[in-house]
Amino acid sequence: DAGVIQSPRHEVTEMGQEVTLRCKPISGHNSLFWYRQTMMRGLELLIYFNNNVPIDDSGMPEDRFSAKMPNASFSTLKIQPSEPRDSAVYFCASSFKAGNSYEQYFGPGTRLTVT
Amino acid sequence: AQSVTQLDSHVSVSEGTPVLLRCNYSSSYSPSLFWYVQHPNKGLQLLLKYTSAATLVKGINGFEAEFKKSETSFHLTKPSAHMSDAAEYFCVVSDLGTNDYKLSFGAGTTVTVRA
Repeated sequence: DAGVIQSPRHEVTEMGQEVTLRCKPISGHNSLFWYRQTMMRGLELLIYFNNNVPIDDSGMPEDRFSAKMPNASFSTLKIQPSEPRDSAVYFCASSFKAGNSYEQYFGPGTRLTVT
Repeated sequence: AQSVTQLDSHVSVSEGTPVLLRCNYSSSYSPSLFWYVQHPNKGLQLLLKYTSAATLVKGINGFEAEFKKSETSFHLTKPSAHMSDAAEYFCVVSDLGTNDYKLSFGAGTTVTVRA
């Protein structure tokens, strides 16, 4: 199993540009999560999809952020326009519900730098 | 609402000596508890999980954790540290309630292993 795949691994862009981060979850998992990690705020949940449907987007910072999951094997997180304060590591995680718990598997992350 | 407190932001041990990482949790329901490890520039990897079965949980790489409800603790231990254990460790809780997909992450404990 290849695990959760994220691309690109590193992204450097200028303020005002559009950024698209991509994620391929583990096959068979029906839940997908986008997180952001910064030194100041730690790990924050941005959005949660279940069966390709957004269930909880309360963590999305503002309208500049949007996420889609067109099918069970692909999701995108888009920032338009990007700002320097968006610089962070963005993780995608996927899971299936085993019994009473979610066991989330994380991708390697995309390190975003906005200059 | 659930939350976790990792009592040590940094732990330094000598190779071959025991490791103890302390975690206290707060939960409104029966919790699921996890420990994740993050090596530099990598994603988070699940070490072990507790989901209301045995209170002593064994994980990968020789780690184990004990769930103590009376103390609301879920401390992580390893009898003999290895250089490869140098990483950041996160204690994580989720409630077995309506929002059981939501993970609450501790602030993390950075482990340094001295040769």
